[in-house]
Amino acid sequence: DIQMTQSPASLSASLGETVTIQCRASEDIYSGLAWYQQKPGKSPQLLIYGASSLQDGVPSRFSGSGSGTQYSLKISSMQTEDEGVYFCQQGLKYPWTFGGGTKLELK
Amino acid sequence: EVQLVESGGGLVQPGRSLKLSCAASGFTFSNYYMAWVRQAPTKGLEWVASITNSGGSTYYRDSVKGRFTISRDNAKSTLYLQMDSLRSEDTATYYCTRDRGVMDAWGQGASVTVSS
Repeated sequence: DIQMTQSPASLSASLGETVTIQCRASEDIYSGLAWYQQKPGKSPQLLIYGASSLQDGVPSRFSGSGSGTQYSLKISSMQTEDEGVYFCQQGLKYPWTFGGGTKLELK
Repeated sequence: EVQLVESGGGLVQPGRSLKLSCAASGFTFSNYYMAWVRQAPTKGLEWVASITNSGGSTYYRDSVKGRFTISRDNAKSTLYLQMDSLRSEDTATYYCTRDRGVMDAWGQGASVTVSS
């Protein structure tokens, strides 16, 4: 199985600050990488697919990049509503696997 | 609007069975692979099983193979997860998702608690 490792496990950011979350795959996943946001008590929501494509309706302050085994999610200007847990997921081959999550809080 | 609505969760004793259902609307159900993803309390996300759009092929994580069965009824736009021989470690919220390699639609989740 492909292992997905996220870092950091948690972080806090001020309003307007740029936030970056990292995700590393145990093998090359050829940009088959998605990012999700989960707010407390809610279902996860897709933010980014194909490593860098923005899902419809997602604010443009979210962006994804990376290739091979290293990927990142960037929030260009932290907003109150961005608090939550972020997960990466590889979609190259079954079993689909997720990173452990990054909890983002407002400082 | 894409909607996925799970039902059938609850409290069940270890070794017993439970069947989850997911009613889909707002898209052509028969065109899409579907999946179940679970989340144990305060834990991360874990893919459980997927099924092709026709239902002809299924995929499972190792820990549920032989115990869980994913199926679908395209005429009813409904996805199912039959869970047998349940264990305490199966306790989680189970999400119905549309599987395009990424999960681009999620239900609200069904809570399953396995405890005596």
